[in-house]
Amino acid sequence: DQQVKQNSPSLSVQEGRISILNCDYTNSMFDYFLWYKKYPAEGPTFLISISSIKDKNEDGRFTVFLNKSAKHLSLHIVPSQPGDSAVYFCAASGPGGTSYGKLTFGQGTILTVHP
Amino acid sequence: DTGVSQDPRHKITKRGQNVTFRCDPISEHNRLYWYRQTLGQGPEFLTYFQNEAQLEKSRLLSDRFSAERPKGSFSTLEIQRTEQGDSAMYLCASSPSRLAGTYGPQYFGPGTRLTVL
Repeated sequence: DQQVKQNSPSLSVQEGRISILNCDYTNSMFDYFLWYKKYPAEGPTFLISISSIKDKNEDGRFTVFLNKSAKHLSLHIVPSQPGDSAVYFCAASGPGGTSYGKLTFGQGTILTVHP
Repeated sequence: DTGVSQDPRHKITKRGQNVTFRCDPISEHNRLYWYRQTLGQGPEFLTYFQNEAQLEKSRLLSDRFSAERPKGSFSTLEIQRTEQGDSAMYLCASSPSRLAGTYGPQYFGPGTRLTVL
């Protein structure tokens, strides 16, 4: 029962262009969503998050969009840089009123940014 | 802020042996989580501590696994009678307590890579 899905195992993008990573979820009780970035042999690093009361959150080159009706979120990276090459994980938690924040992760998408 | 630390970073053991991993969370973070990540998958939740109390355990955590957080600071995860299927990256994360309805991220350590031969 995969409650959080990242259907694209990999994405290749040219430096300077936009990278769009997608994530779908099935559990309507999720109300907080996060993106993590992971380099080999390191733990996941928090990038950006969004709560279900918003549909967009922006932090520098990173923007997360949430479409609650479609149970879909996406991460946009503009402009993409070679240092962005990593595995990106989508994660979800909730409901916030009763949850202690246990995260459910997707399978990850390998992003490669070519110079 | 020294971040979450884990020790050891790598552990190779033979099937049937016991192993223990340690996690030191960010100071003043009273929530601590253990996750397991296998190749090609995202991290999967194992267990959660609020201070020294273990409040939830995943079904993934068989009776060969035990976790403790005796003084509400560092935590240990022990695997007894290891099996080849236990080979994975074991990740620890921490966060501060939050009021109901408020949100924030968990901060992960570098992980312990376990290889069972």
